[in-house]
Amino acid sequence: QVQLVESGGGLVKPGGSLRLSCAASGFTFSDYYMSWIRQAPGKGLEWVSYISSSGSTIYYADSVKGRFTISRDNAKNSLYLQMNSLRAEDTAVYYCASSIAAVYFQHWGQGTLVTVSS
Amino acid sequence: EIVLTQSPGTLSLSPGERATLSCRASQSVSSSYLAWYQQKPGQAPRLLIYGASSRATGIPDRFSGSGSGTDFTLTISRLEPEDFAVYYCQQYGSSSWTFGQGTKVEIK
Repeated sequence: QVQLVESGGGLVKPGGSLRLSCAASGFTFSDYYMSWIRQAPGKGLEWVSYISSSGSTIYYADSVKGRFTISRDNAKNSLYLQMNSLRAEDTAVYYCASSIAAVYFQHWGQGTLVTVSS
Repeated sequence: EIVLTQSPGTLSLSPGERATLSCRASQSVSSSYLAWYQQKPGQAPRLLIYGASSRATGIPDRFSGSGSGTDFTLTISRLEPEDFAVYYCQQYGSSSWTFGQGTKVEIK
């Protein structure tokens, strides 16, 4: 069955960097669109970034543009999120999500917690 | 950016009752681009409905979605104990995805 497993979260100081990974299995990764979505503690869902199946099309939310970089390695069935210049407001659980259609999020990982604090 | 407003914020109902959740968009949304998710405490969201009215794989038929334009509805015909959760609507438009703020369905 479809499985998405995020890793790389943790505690980082403001201005620091972190790289999240998402390992995919149970489906043909290279056929699927992938996204990162986050959820601040006790808050709602916020889309962060999207990458097309080939990696040729990438979008970011305004709140992370210029600081975060999404990428994928179809040979390794993996999705990444490089997060630089982290701020306290980036504190959240980060979910990776896959979908055969770009417009919604079909499968979700369990999430990884990123805490930005001094 | 299209803003989605969900109402009510909290819905207090008993098992067996009907739940009607609303999602209103700040401008027209293509029905093909409207989805609903369920999230239980400590869990990732789960896709329930896509294309405004199509149930995702494995979703019971007590869940149904409807609507068009700026007004969309998620209906749970008869609440089961496992349905008490937070529900989010989501739309896609102009290379951006947005979620509503959520409706919590709690046990009365």
